[in-house]
Amino acid sequence: EPEVTQTPSHQVTQMGQEVILRCVPISNHLYFYWYRQILGQKVEFLVSFYNNEISEKSEIFDDQFSVERPDGSNFTLKIRSTKLEDSAMYFCAGSSGPNYGYTFGSGTRLTVV
Amino acid sequence: GQSLEQPSEVTAVEGAIVQINCTYQTSGFYGLSWYQQHDGGAPTFLSYNALDGLEETGRFSSFLSRSDSYGYLLLQELQMKDSASYFCAVRDRGNQGGKLIFGQGTELSVKP
Repeated sequence: EPEVTQTPSHQVTQMGQEVILRCVPISNHLYFYWYRQILGQKVEFLVSFYNNEISEKSEIFDDQFSVERPDGSNFTLKIRSTKLEDSAMYFCAGSSGPNYGYTFGSGTRLTVV
Repeated sequence: GQSLEQPSEVTAVEGAIVQINCTYQTSGFYGLSWYQQHDGGAPTFLSYNALDGLEETGRFSSFLSRSDSYGYLLLQELQMKDSASYFCAVRDRGNQGGKLIFGQGTELSVKP
């Protein structure tokens, strides 16, 4: 069964540093998302990406965040200057369309120290 | 605002049936989904209801009543491996892939 692949699985970074989280979506998916989950809390929407551009972003997704699909396959989330409160599990997800379930990657656990 | 309410935890015994309820209040509604998550791993899609009624997939069934803004996930013949967190989620629009809005999750503990 096709999978969404995320790297790295765990990233530790110092406050103020830039991090790039990477995702390889399933090839026939059209819609892509980044979500985050702070430990013990619900999964929160960050940003959606369709047709090579951002279609929606949440209040969490401020100027410190950016997404790219640099080579038409990989999908990245960049946090320019990390804060302690950015520590969370970050999930990439994809979907074939509105009536289909999302497929989530296994996540990147980001720890900001 | 947008909110989904579900119980924080449920405990049941192996072989039993358990129902996890979800009520929602969202600005848009294009279906209710259920996801399973083990130990903070990837949420795994279980079911999707766009229309009222019951959807059955093996031991799992999901129900939706749009007039009541209510749905539930029914797990039958519980197994130890069903111990996990279960999230209901609303897709807020149908075009351009509308985002999922998740509930807080229900932690299901299955006891022997």
